Amino acid sequence: KNEVEQSPQNLTAQEGEFITINCSYSVGISALHWLQQHPGGGIVSLFMLSSGKKKHGRLIATINIQEKHSSLHITASHPRDSAVYICAVWHNTDKLIFGTGTRLQVFP
Amino acid sequence: DAGVTQSPTHLIKTRGQQVTLRCSPISGHKSVSWYQQVLGQGPQFIFQYYEKEERGRGNFPDRFSARQFPNYSSELNVNALLLGDSALYLCASSLAGSELNEQFFGPGTRLTVL
Repeated sequence: KNEVEQSPQNLTAQEGEFITINCSYSVGISALHWLQQHPGGGIVSLFMLSSGKKKHGRLIATINIQEKHSSLHITASHPRDSAVYICAVWHNTDKLIFGTGTRLQVFP
Repeated sequence: DAGVTQSPTHLIKTRGQQVTLRCSPISGHKSVSWYQQVLGQGPQFIFQYYEKEERGRGNFPDRFSARQFPNYSSELNVNALLLGDSALYLCASSLAGSELNEQFFGPGTRLTVL
């Protein structure tokens, strides 16, 4: 079993829909990242959080340390949101452990 | 200000050869981490360097090695290449390499081993 699990693996949505991507982890962590990867490979950091909730534009990330769970929400989704979204956790302060990613496609 | 840069962008090698990948961090960042991303999977941690010292190593064979230079740029070396080494190699830099610092990723080097 992977130390970081994401669901769903694939997600399709119509433009304007509210989207939720989930991340569960089984190790102790000090922080969690949500990352976005576009075709071609480039990775952009969306959020880094260790508690509570963060919001940036149409993106919201939450984390529940007790339940070892985080969610990434996208409100009013748009085709340009189509990408792979990756959850990664800092374990033992010296390495990031990544989930396998959620591939999101938003259709007009 | 330039982001993290990596070179080359693409590389094709044959089995048994050796390869060197290069990474330049964001100005002021002292930590560089290397990751391997095989097609369809999430990245896997290879190394982290901070202030020219190795701070962490992932579960990779000794064929993989890295170093960090006084200007904080870094090289990843892979010897005796195998087909399974074909992947996107990502470099990320951060201010101090701790979990409190956001990591900024480069565009990656896509290595194909034939």
